[in-house]
Amino acid sequence: DQQVKQNSPSLSVQEGRISILNCDYTNSMFDYFLWYKKYPAEGPTFLISISSIKDKNEDGRFTVFLNKSAKHLSLHIVPSQPGDSAVYFCAASGDPGTYKYIFGTGTRLKVLA
Amino acid sequence: DADVTQTPRNRITKTGKRIMLECSQTKGHDRMYWYRQDPGLGLRLIYYSFDVKDINKGEISDGYSVSRQAQAKFSLSLESAIPNQTALYFCATSDFRDSTDTQYFGPGTRLTVL
Repeated sequence: DQQVKQNSPSLSVQEGRISILNCDYTNSMFDYFLWYKKYPAEGPTFLISISSIKDKNEDGRFTVFLNKSAKHLSLHIVPSQPGDSAVYFCAASGDPGTYKYIFGTGTRLKVLA
Repeated sequence: DADVTQTPRNRITKTGKRIMLECSQTKGHDRMYWYRQDPGLGLRLIYYSFDVKDINKGEISDGYSVSRQAQAKFSLSLESAIPNQTALYFCATSDFRDSTDTQYFGPGTRLTVL
């Protein structure tokens, strides 16, 4: 059973507009969340994180929102750029300091110029 | 130079062959991990190691073994490869001093078992 779900396998957005990538989880014990970006032929690279004690975390064009009651997090990219075209994975952990990050299946974002 | 390197980057082998994938890191991290990625399944943990003397099974360890030769090196072996082990394999590291345990990934090894 998939504990971390990214229900949209792909998303296309026009350059300059907002990209919203969604992630749902089932385990209420998860309390730390990461987003990774992956380009073809490269490993995933860490993008942004959020702890369950927050509902929002910003880093430049990237903002992650967490809705604990809905067990939902989202990554907003504003404005979207062609270089943001990649696969985005969310990951969740209920126990920081251990190995237990559960990854979603990824969403492929394509930003159209 | 890359902090986490994997060799080989691509490998094609036949069913029944023994294969070793290698991972090296210069980040000075004590924790190392092996994942596999399959289409539609995301990243799944195979094995992890918190230090040279510590090896632990992950979610999908059957058919795999690992060796932590040094703090900087972590190898994954397929003793007798089978076609459903065809996948993209990633090594990752993390620092025990980082309470978030953020993981840093290598570039991946694409393995095809015929």
